Amino acid sequence: QVTLRESGPALVKPTQTLTLTCTVSGFSLTTKGMCMNWIRQPPGKALEWLARIDWDDDKYYNTSLQTRLTISRDTSKNQVVLTMTDMDPVDTATYFCARCASVPGRYYYYYYMDVWGKGTTVTVSS
Amino acid sequence: IQMTQSPSSLSASVGDRVTITCRASQTINNYLNWYQQKPGEAPKLLIYAASSLQSGVPSRFSGSGSGTDFTLTITTLQPEDFATYYCQQSYDIPPIHTFGQGTKLEIK
Repeated sequence: QVTLRESGPALVKPTQTLTLTCTVSGFSLTTKGMCMNWIRQPPGKALEWLARIDWDDDKYYNTSLQTRLTISRDTSKNQVVLTMTDMDPVDTATYFCARCASVPGRYYYYYYMDVWGKGTTVTVSS
Repeated sequence: IQMTQSPSSLSASVGDRVTITCRASQTINNYLNWYQQKPGEAPKLLIYAASSLQSGVPSRFSGSGSGTDFTLTITTLQPEDFATYYCQQSYDIPPIHTFGQGTKLEIK
């Protein structure tokens, strides 16, 4: 059974660095074609994609936030970690990790997020 | 690439057929996914590659479109279908998986 579980602090202060961990089970982070994403959702607002790490350790970031984000993994622990620096109250949100799967497409692979964690809520406040 | 959904909200009744539209700011071929999210829950994948139904998703959900214009159609609405729906593109290279702003489907 494939599961994802997010963990991290529920409350951080402005200017602090947030570190979130996604612990996965039921699959390998190094399976070819697989990738892991972080997505966030402020209260009452839309989903926002943050970052992705691929099976071969390639990393991609939301261009608006890339100076603040780092995604990494520890394959021995089956974990994907997201750090976000200089936290601000506008970063208050539920943060989700999601696995992406891929299938061959006409031009290149189709990627889609097929399994999601339940999310972890982070509040930024002094 | 910007993704714009319409309408932002929609009221419908059980048994209705509804269509939600997603428009990309430039062509994304058929690199388009649809998700359903219920309050307090994580999103759930419905459709990938514009029209491929994810395993386990009821056949009353269907997707179509290519280029810049896409639709999600739900035939014969069920009570459990009232939720918010998001489109998401996976065309960008390097990958930037932009979501639409969501369409909230409410009971009339």
